[in-house]
Amino acid sequence: EPEVTQTPSHQVTQMGQEVILRCVPISNHLYFYWYRQILGQKVEFLVSFYNNEISEKSEIFDDQFSVERPDGSNFTLKIRSTKLEDSAMYFCASTIGGTATGEQYFGPGTRLTVT
Amino acid sequence: KQEVTQIPAALSVPEGENLVLNCSFTDSAIYNLQWFRQDPGKGLTSLLLIQSSQREQTSGRLNASLDKSSGRSTLYIAASQPGDSATYLCAVRDIYNQGGKLIFGQGTELSVKP
Repeated sequence: EPEVTQTPSHQVTQMGQEVILRCVPISNHLYFYWYRQILGQKVEFLVSFYNNEISEKSEIFDDQFSVERPDGSNFTLKIRSTKLEDSAMYFCASTIGGTATGEQYFGPGTRLTVT
Repeated sequence: KQEVTQIPAALSVPEGENLVLNCSFTDSAIYNLQWFRQDPGKGLTSLLLIQSSQREQTSGRLNASLDKSSGRSTLYIAASQPGDSATYLCAVRDIYNQGGKLIFGQGTELSVKP
């Protein structure tokens, strides 16, 4: 069964460093998302992406964050200058079709630890 | 602003029991509601998606209902098994967010004892 994959599973970085989290959405899906979950807190939406542009973003998704689909399979989240409070589990998700009303399928997550 | 709440926060039951998990949301203007399972330190597994026009969806031992007007959904698990132990999350997609944003509850941590 097709699934969303994410790499790395765990990333440790120092404060101020740039990180890139990578995702491979399900191949025939067209809508892509990033969410994060700080330990013990709710899952929070960061951004959605469709047709090579941001469809929606949350107030968390400030200028330190960016997303890109560099080729036909990968979808990346970049954090330019990490802060301690960026430590969280980051989930990528995707939806089939051209609308954002379908079922969202999530990847296993990348645990980001900022020291 | 849409708020999603799940009660109880934690639930422990003996194996074989039927159980109900609750999810409530403050704004009934939703496109759909999705139930997920999350194992410790893992990703989210989609269980059921209910569109706003539907009253319920079933998958195996799972049945989810939706009462949009009252802002409630329930997830019914029949004949619970130890393998059902996990955190169950509900999330809504409301009509104000055109980009597919899901708004999550805090989850119900379920423990099924053998």
